[in-house]
Amino acid sequence: SQTIHQWPATLVQPVGSPLSLECTVEGTSNPNLYWYRQAAGRGLQLLFYSVGIGQISSEVPQNLSASRPQDRQFILSSKKLLLSDSGFYLCAWSDRGNTIYFGEGSWLTVV
Amino acid sequence: QKEVEQNSGPLSVPEGAIASLNCTYSDRGSQSFFWYRQYSGKSPELIMFIYSNGDKEDGRFTAQLNKASQYVSLLIRDSQPSDSATYLCAVDAGGTSYGKLTFGQGTILTVHP
Repeated sequence: SQTIHQWPATLVQPVGSPLSLECTVEGTSNPNLYWYRQAAGRGLQLLFYSVGIGQISSEVPQNLSASRPQDRQFILSSKKLLLSDSGFYLCAWSDRGNTIYFGEGSWLTVV
Repeated sequence: QKEVEQNSGPLSVPEGAIASLNCTYSDRGSQSFFWYRQYSGKSPELIMFIYSNGDKEDGRFTAQLNKASQYVSLLIRDSQPSDSATYLCAVDAGGTSYGKLTFGQGTILTVHP
């Protein structure tokens, strides 16, 4: 069966510091991968999606970036965090269909 | 802009009752509809999806879709305190959407003993 893992689960970072969140999927090949963000009091927002290695599409302008160095690995990064980057970040995958499954999530607090 | 609207609640029902959660969407071309459950501090988990008009049942859950009215609902029969969570409605516009779901803000459900 397929599993998805992301880490770290929680982190507190100062403004201006870098960020790296990592996600891996097991039990499937060539999945679609996604990064969503859930900010306090707001709904889930799609940040990035990827249909293959090195193929990244951004949904919203921001100071975040994503990379997919391997088929089942997805990384969310920032060079300099803003206070507004705080939130619950969720990696997700789908098997080329439109049913997506989420990882455990990463709580980011920027102070 | 595609929108998905849900009543934020909280919706409070007694244990054993039927909980009814509603969702409307703005994009008439939407093809697929999903319900996720999210416990506090946790990630969303898929409950069920529906593609065609009518009802779809899975255990205690029934999803209802009316594309003409742009309306989708989730019924939870025999509600249990463990059903207390936020329920997220999500919509996919179809085609090569690559799982780019649009989510509603969620409805908080509380089931009291």
